[in-house]
Amino acid sequence: DAGVTQSPTHLIKTRGQQVTLRCSPKSGHDTVSWYQQALGQGPQFIFQYYEEEERQRGNFPDRFSGHQFPNYSSELNVNALLLGDSALYLCASSYQQQGFGTEAFFGQGTRLTVV
Amino acid sequence: DAKTTQPTSMDCAEGRAANLPCNHSTISGNEYVYWYRQIHSQGPQYIIHGLKNNETNEMASLIITEDRKSSTLILPHATLRDTAVYYCIVSQVYNFNKFYFGSGTKLNVKP
Repeated sequence: DAGVTQSPTHLIKTRGQQVTLRCSPKSGHDTVSWYQQALGQGPQFIFQYYEEEERQRGNFPDRFSGHQFPNYSSELNVNALLLGDSALYLCASSYQQQGFGTEAFFGQGTRLTVV
Repeated sequence: DAKTTQPTSMDCAEGRAANLPCNHSTISGNEYVYWYRQIHSQGPQYIIHGLKNNETNEMASLIITEDRKSSTLILPHATLRDTAVYYCIVSQVYNFNKFYFGSGTKLNVKP
């Protein structure tokens, strides 16, 4: 059983460009969250998707947007990239319909470098 | 979500038990305690979670005090591969995979 898979693993973009990161949740999982982790810091919550809708959002600007597809996979889009967007982007998945208090699993992340 | 307080770093000898404390004095009744670890910028790895009872799995044990204001993660026989940053997270039951990570505890397992 594949866990949470993210693509690509590494990416280099230029300031002002747009980027799309992808996440396939663990089999059977229906809820996906995205995180940004700057070097030396803990992951920060960006937003969460369930039933193809954004359900919760952290303190991130509108340049960060997302999408969830019917097969539960998800994309994170970042527009007008800034140097400060350089970070490890993590995807987490869990099974909401299983009920409360379930564990979440993380992917290995996409390392984004903005130059 | 309630805040957590963890020591910045801890050392443990290989083969000994590692006991990682976490303070969450403002925890509410509908909040779980989760533990994750992160090894060298890989994705965080789930370890264990609990509501109010002590929990044990193949990786670790979670001891939650009766008043739920603190908890301890126990790795019974630490190995060098357990060297990582350990995050204690308190999250409301309906948050699912929405977590607020703090700075965590860097556990150094030494030979």
